[in-house]
Amino acid sequence: NAGVMQNPRHLVRRRGQEARLRCSPMKGHSHVYWYRQLPEEGLKFMVYLQKENIIDESGMPKERFSAEFPKEGPSILRIQQVVRGDSAAYFCASSPGQAGVHEQYFGPGTRLTVT
Amino acid sequence: QKEVEQNSGPLSVPEGAIASLNCTYSDRGSQSFFWYRQYSGKSPELIMSIYSNGDKEDGRFTAQLNKASQYVSLLIRDSQPSDSATYLCAVIFGNEKLTFGTGTRLTIIP
Repeated sequence: NAGVMQNPRHLVRRRGQEARLRCSPMKGHSHVYWYRQLPEEGLKFMVYLQKENIIDESGMPKERFSAEFPKEGPSILRIQQVVRGDSAAYFCASSPGQAGVHEQYFGPGTRLTVT
Repeated sequence: QKEVEQNSGPLSVPEGAIASLNCTYSDRGSQSFFWYRQYSGKSPELIMSIYSNGDKEDGRFTAQLNKASQYVSLLIRDSQPSDSATYLCAVIFGNEKLTFGTGTRLTIIP
């Protein structure tokens, strides 16, 4: 399967715990994006990364949230000290990073439930 | 604030008819436009991208872009029950990040 991979697909955390969400982009893609979809709401941009660089994190909450895309391995979205309002579906998307090619392809998502 | 507007629906269309979905956006300088389909509980699936004024056809789907009117639409011909889903319009306003509309829920009636 050459698609975008995310794991885990479902994650349950108690308030105050940390959540780590992982994303492996589609083969040949070097750009990764994270989006969040709150229940009954639209998709919202969080962060845009390339290998070892955060390009745009304008959609990330100022506290508790961080993201990285290391030279080796998947992109990680980390949420520290989770609260009930963090319960949502978190989607990763990737694109090739080629000039003139802007399509983004989404992974299956991680559904985070905070109890 | 860069915005993408869609009618939330629900939009009901008889099987075999044409479904028409509409979207407007706020930034005249936008260059990249996309339609995604999202089934309940699933992730968005890219079905069309369009960059130039006019029509772009792919099978039963046609995307239409009018940059002067800041308007993009999606037509689905010969609608099938499997087309029942939420359709998301997305626009790149800058720096490659997608801004989504709230989506239009489409129901195809057998």
